[in-house]
Amino acid sequence: AQSVTQPDIHITVSEGASLELRCNYSYGATPYLFWYVQSPGQGLQLLLKYFSGDTLVQGIKGFEAEFKRSQSSFNLRKPSVHWSDAAEYFCAVGANTGNQFYFGTGTSLTVIP
Amino acid sequence: NAGVTQTPKFRILKIGQSMTLQCAQDMNHNYMYWYRQDPGMGLKLIYYSVGAGITDKGEVPNGYNVSRSTTEDFPLRLELAAPSQTSVYFCASSYMSGQGAGYTFGSGTRLTVV
Repeated sequence: AQSVTQPDIHITVSEGASLELRCNYSYGATPYLFWYVQSPGQGLQLLLKYFSGDTLVQGIKGFEAEFKRSQSSFNLRKPSVHWSDAAEYFCAVGANTGNQFYFGTGTSLTVIP
Repeated sequence: NAGVTQTPKFRILKIGQSMTLQCAQDMNHNYMYWYRQDPGMGLKLIYYSVGAGITDKGEVPNGYNVSRSTTEDFPLRLELAAPSQTSVYFCASSYMSGQGAGYTFGSGTRLTVV
């Protein structure tokens, strides 16, 4: 069965520091992978997605993610975090049948000055 | 461009009451979805629709019903509210099957059942 694991429930980083949010998935074929961001009281916004091709994908707001098949991972990175990046981040994998995504439980990011 | 609009934003229901959560999108998307978000649990799919007149169950459909009479609207109905339905509900849409496009989400409806 498909599943997504985000091992870190909460991460705190200093403004200007680099960031990496971890995501591991379980899936039998090449997955469709996504990262979403949710600001307080808001819906989820798509940051980036991976379907095939180059394993390093660029997204909005300066984020990037790297697909590593051997590690079943799709970690999200940002070289320099801004205070406005404080939010909840969700990794998701798309199934190849039906119309369902499987979401991770989220990682809450706090940015300190 | 409004995107996906959900109403109401907040609602408190008593056990056994019913209500409809409204969702409308103006992007002419065929695919629409209802998710619920519980703390520490991620998002779970309740129902989805691949076009007007076509709906199907997701992972957690019990206690809910949906209809899709137009491309724009996808209301979610709770018939007999229970405390277990206290959650934040998100509607989403996509122009193609979700795994190919990603979703556009509404801002959510926070429902409390007491």
